[in-house]
Amino acid sequence: DAGVTQSPTHLIKTRGQQVTLRCSPISGHKSVSWYQQVLGQGPQFIFQYYEKEERGRGNFPDRFSARQFPNYSSELNVNALLLGDSALYLCASSPSRQDNYGYTFGSGTRLTVV
Amino acid sequence: AQKVTQAQTEISVVEKEDVTLDCVYETRDTTYYLFWYKQPPSGELVFLIRRNSFDEQNEISGRYSWNFQKSTSSFNFTITASQVVDSAVYFCALSEAGNQGGKLIFGQGTELSVKP
Repeated sequence: DAGVTQSPTHLIKTRGQQVTLRCSPISGHKSVSWYQQVLGQGPQFIFQYYEKEERGRGNFPDRFSARQFPNYSSELNVNALLLGDSALYLCASSPSRQDNYGYTFGSGTRLTVV
Repeated sequence: AQKVTQAQTEISVVEKEDVTLDCVYETRDTTYYLFWYKQPPSGELVFLIRRNSFDEQNEISGRYSWNFQKSTSSFNFTITASQVVDSAVYFCALSEAGNQGGKLIFGQGTELSVKP
């Protein structure tokens, strides 16, 4: 079975541009969460989507938005990119909204803003 | 306040040594879950263990063992007879049952280097 897949794997953008990151959860998983991991730090929670609705949001500005599609895949959008947005963006899927068996993470998208 | 602290930023050991990674957490919830994840250079977070707040039994899985002590709010991870393949960054994480949207709160991570 395929795990959590994220695309693209690497991305370079210029300050002020917009970016869209994509995530496909494990088959049968209805929940997708997004995390930002700045170099040398632990991942920080951005969003959780479950059944196509936002169920949780971390302390990130409105430049960050996301959505979930009927097939449970998800997109994370970041507008007006700043240098500080450079990070590894991780997607995690789980069967339910509050998973008690551990979240499965993808390999991430490494975003570099120049 | 919810917080996870991993005081050890980097640890370096020689192969076959035992090593313990420390994790201290803060939460006001009585029901919560603790996790350990391994992050190899590829970037993917690999799930190692989940423990709920009502289960204080220690757990052993092969060379890995976990010691959960509510009295000290600690959830430490020991690797016995370390191997070079254990080299990675290890994260401890907390999820509170009462939170919205299954949010995981991660520590800063401990980078483990196992030298041959």
